[in-house]
Amino acid sequence: AQKITQTQPGMFVQEKEAVTLDCTYDTSDPSYGLFWYKQPSSGEMIFLIYQGSYDQQNATEGRYSLNFQKARKSANLVISASQLGDSAMYFCAIERKNTGFQKLVFGTGTRLLVSP
Amino acid sequence: SQTIHQWPATLVQPVGSPLSLECTVEGTSNPNLYWYRQAAGRGLQLLFYSVGIGQISSEVPQNLSASRPQDRQFILSSKKLLLSDSGFYLCAWSRAQGMHSPLHFGNGTRLTVT
Repeated sequence: AQKITQTQPGMFVQEKEAVTLDCTYDTSDPSYGLFWYKQPSSGEMIFLIYQGSYDQQNATEGRYSLNFQKARKSANLVISASQLGDSAMYFCAIERKNTGFQKLVFGTGTRLLVSP
Repeated sequence: SQTIHQWPATLVQPVGSPLSLECTVEGTSNPNLYWYRQAAGRGLQLLFYSVGIGQISSEVPQNLSASRPQDRQFILSSKKLLLSDSGFYLCAWSRAQGMHSPLHFGNGTRLTVT
């Protein structure tokens, strides 16, 4: 079974600084995908970035990048140039491939607070 | 573009009362549909998923059920709510061929069972 571990319950960063949110995973599947979602205080889950286990390059989406280290089973999210609007909960999740639908397993999340 | 609607946004129900949460998706056909629950301070737990009309799969045994009467409609129900059913319920959809496809979530329903 898959498992996601997010060891940072809370992180603080100053505006315009970069921050790394940690995520480690455990899976026996040879092929899998990793997602990061943002959950503002309003509650909706917003998709940020995806990394496939066989992707050769680390994924990037604007200010978000994923530091994927397959041997270490880690998929850390890097947010560059933090903004006040980045304050939210961030969840890492892993999918099972080859199922045709998204049975994602989520971590417990990291609360990010961006200060002016 | 695709949109997902979920209602109500908040709900307070007494123990033993029935429940019906509704979710509809627009702008796509034959989506995979999901119900997740988030307990306070926790990650999301998959409750049900559906790959088509009338096709429901349950992930965990519980006091809840789901139905998909139409292609883009997904309903979460209970005949008698328990205190432990309190939580934040999120509906989501993904493309039918789900590989690499992210989940797109609704705004959620915060359910409090009293």
